[in-house]
Amino acid sequence: RKEVEQDPGPFNVPEGATVAFNCTYSNSASQSFFWYRQDCRKEPKLLMSVYSSGNEDGRFTAQLNRASQYISLLIRDSKLSDSATYLCVVNPPSNTGKLIFGQGTTLQVKP
Amino acid sequence: ETGVTQSPTHLIKTRGQQVTLRCSSQSGHNTVSWYQQALGQGPQFIFQYYREEENGRGNFPPRFSGLQFPNYSSELNVNALELDDSALYLCASSLGGSGGPDRSPLHFGNGTRLTVT
Repeated sequence: RKEVEQDPGPFNVPEGATVAFNCTYSNSASQSFFWYRQDCRKEPKLLMSVYSSGNEDGRFTAQLNRASQYISLLIRDSKLSDSATYLCVVNPPSNTGKLIFGQGTTLQVKP
Repeated sequence: ETGVTQSPTHLIKTRGQQVTLRCSSQSGHNTVSWYQQALGQGPQFIFQYYREEENGRGNFPPRFSGLQFPNYSSELNVNALELDDSALYLCASSLGGSGGPDRSPLHFGNGTRLTVT
C-alpha cells in the first residue's frame, strides 16, 4: 500500500463547477498535512495547510479526518487558472524532514 | 528576502556520467531537502541536510550523495547516471531549531530538469 494515495484523474470540469479531491495516508501517527499545487513543468507550490478543524481559503476548503486517515480538498467556482496538478502531502512522525507526496491529481477546467 | 535558487535549470547528460546540482537556501534557513520527481509522479525524498550533516535519507542508492556548506547552500551529486535518473530535481530549504528540522511546509526552488540519454 502506498503511503499517500490519490486518484490521478484527470478531472475535467467546466468553469464554475465544484470539484473535490481525496487523499488517504497509511501512517496514523502522521503529524501535519498540506496541499500543494504544481503547474506543468514548474515546481510544487504550497496551496494550503490542512488542520483537524478544517480550513478555508477563499474558494478552497481543506478537511482532515484523522480517524479515517483521509484528507480532502474542495474547490468551488472553478476557474480556468485552477488547471494544475494538486499534490497531497503528509509529514510522517520522524525528525528527518521527509515529506511524503501523493502522485497528484490533475485538474483541467474547461471554458 | 531571496528564495531558494537552483542551478542549472536544465542539464543533459549521458548514461554513466556524473552530475552535480546546486541549491542556495533561503536567507536564514539552515536545512536543505532534496527531492526527485519523475514524470507523472509526486516528488520523492532523497535526503536532507541540517547544519552540514545528513539528517535522513530516502530510498536512493549510495551513488546519490550530497553536501551542505557552512553558508547552508547544498549540492546533490549523482554518479554513474542511469536513464531512470531523468527527472526534475527539487531543493527546498527550511529553518530547524534545536530539536532538529521543523515541520513547516517546504518551499521549493525552481528545480533542475535532468535528462540522461
